[in-house]
Amino acid sequence: IAGITQAPTSQILAAGRRMTLRCTQDMRHNAMYWYRQDLGLGLRLIHYSNTAGTTGKGEVPDGYSVSRANTDDFPLTLASAVPSQTSVYFCASTVEYPGTEAFFGQGTRLTVV
Amino acid sequence: GQNIDQPTEMTATEGAIVQINCTYQTSGFNGLFWYQQHAGEAPTFLSYNVLDGLEEKGRFSSFLSRSKGYSYLLLKELQMKDSASYLCAVMDVGAGSYQLTFGKGTKLSVIP
Repeated sequence: IAGITQAPTSQILAAGRRMTLRCTQDMRHNAMYWYRQDLGLGLRLIHYSNTAGTTGKGEVPDGYSVSRANTDDFPLTLASAVPSQTSVYFCASTVEYPGTEAFFGQGTRLTVV
Repeated sequence: GQNIDQPTEMTATEGAIVQINCTYQTSGFNGLFWYQQHAGEAPTFLSYNVLDGLEEKGRFSSFLSRSKGYSYLLLKELQMKDSASYLCAVMDVGAGSYQLTFGKGTKLSVIP
């Protein structure tokens, strides 16, 4: 089934640990995004990639890094997790240019303790 | 960057019509999207506007005025299942990149 898959679906992580959230899509979409969603703050863009090999910073990039080695995968890494990174993380993708809907993964609920 | 504003919460009665407004400020506007998000789920696409005017899709319609930086989502014949958050999002294109930025969302409660 075509779509976006995120893993894990939920995770409890000790502060200071390194964690990579995985995102894979099989729709051959060029653009991919990572958002975090917190109560009262909505979806905030962390990082994005308009095409394989390129990435850019969104609204809240500090403490996160991404890579885009190929079209399908867009992992998000927390180098040293802190409690303020407790959130629900969504990965999304769109076809090559604006004007088409973004498809979302099911989300990853991350708790940093 | 972008600044997107929408009401935090709204309540409406089953069978009624509700309008959710969204205002935005952006330097490289290239389309406005509306998404629906039920609690604990991922957002799902509802509508897209890039030109001024009204787009109708069943019980849902979306309007855009680019000169005013304004959009609304109109939901007709409200059903209990329409209770959800509605997210306004703007696609901004600039400096060779494009970003999709969301407002904080409007939580709609449909009551009997």
